[in-house]
Amino acid sequence: EADIYQTPRYLVIGTGKKITLECSQTMGHDKMYWYQQDPGMELHLIHYSYGVNSTEKGDLSSESTVSRIRTEHFPLTLESARPSHTSQYLCASSAGQGFSTDTQYFGPGTRLTVL
Amino acid sequence: KNQVEQSPQSLIILEGKNCTLQCNYTVSPFSNLRWYKQDTGRGPVSLTIMTFSENTKSNGRYTATLDADTKQSSLHITASQLSDSASYICVVSGRGPGGFKTIFGAGTRLFVKA
Repeated sequence: EADIYQTPRYLVIGTGKKITLECSQTMGHDKMYWYQQDPGMELHLIHYSYGVNSTEKGDLSSESTVSRIRTEHFPLTLESARPSHTSQYLCASSAGQGFSTDTQYFGPGTRLTVL
Repeated sequence: KNQVEQSPQSLIILEGKNCTLQCNYTVSPFSNLRWYKQDTGRGPVSLTIMTFSENTKSNGRYTATLDADTKQSSLHITASQLSDSASYICVVSGRGPGGFKTIFGAGTRLFVKA
């Protein structure tokens, strides 16, 4: 099983609150990713990082922001949560030659509900 | 438009039976195709990864095939077990003028019944 952790696993929060979803990996992987997945739907990449101080936006536009100050840590922040942010957020990491050829290891996900 | 289409959307089989899941894609150019297994409420776990030069790859009871000419892939599960109940996701990656693209299919939901 992959050593990648996400907290919290479940979060129910009111509109307008600021939230941070945590993601940590102990595998020393240089690349990390955030995906958004609605129930029964495909994953969409919202952020990725090639390494410390490197962050890029993914294919799906997101109001969230990320930071990569340490190799093992890749938190995602929503400054003002809204009901449209309700979804499952999955963090992943990988190591290898290239973004599209690496095997990605996923965390268990955070299910976010914004009331 | 780059797309990954999976079929069937859901499938119910009896324990011990075999099944085949399909993935058609239009992602171009093509770099690799991966199959993931995702248990309910968990993150996906990689099963196989194939480049355009590979046409079959096995991982235990899971065998993936790839036809890069017709842009089709299949995942065959042999002697299914109750623990195989999960979503199986096809993921296709390619590199184009805009950089790397990784497109996830919506998955096939497999139910294995005793």
